[in-house]
Amino acid sequence: SQQGEEDPQALSIQEGENATMNCSYKTSINNLQWYRQNSGRGLVHLILIRSNEREKHSGRLRVTLDTSKKSSSLLITASRAADTASYFCATDVEGNQFYFGTGTSLTVIP
Amino acid sequence: ETGVTQSPTHLIKTRGQQVTLRCSSQSGHNTVSWYQQALGQGPQFIFQYYREEENGRGNFPPRFSGLQFPNYSSELNVNALELDDSALYLCASSPRSINSPLHFGNGTRLTVT
Repeated sequence: SQQGEEDPQALSIQEGENATMNCSYKTSINNLQWYRQNSGRGLVHLILIRSNEREKHSGRLRVTLDTSKKSSSLLITASRAADTASYFCATDVEGNQFYFGTGTSLTVIP
Repeated sequence: ETGVTQSPTHLIKTRGQQVTLRCSSQSGHNTVSWYQQALGQGPQFIFQYYREEENGRGNFPPRFSGLQFPNYSSELNVNALELDDSALYLCASSPRSINSPLHFGNGTRLTVT
């Protein structure tokens, strides 16, 4: 079974808008990572946040982590059509063994 | 730096057959993990290999097995294929350290008929 759940399942926005997706998980973690997947290809790592961190930025990406609520959010600012993809959160439960959520499908309309 | 490569890219098998999927890890990475991704779902952890031994396993039956070789490349073997085994199989490599991201190959699309 999946460790995490993303919300919403699907998101459609206009180019230039911000996109926010959320992830909830079930157990204690070492870190939480976000990945992106284009059209059934391999996943690409976007950003990692450690369990003792609350917020992290990388370019247009902002990730928050609330371990008390077992949740995380990914914000993509100033979205572009090229950001269209599926986004997954993954929790590192035990030594690089990652459990992925169900994913958010993001569509950015030019 | 060579990324993770998987072969073949696509495969069609018949129910009951056996299949072997292959993965070459990224240079410098000694840990390989395999994931199964059904259509519309997130990747599910099958197992992980480190130092040629299985080092953690998800909720998959024993007919899913693997190998890791001294050069850190890996194989995933599935026996007695079932229709539900149809999926994208993803290999990911990483260094053996906490807080390291996974580096994925582009996967093998397996169809079982």
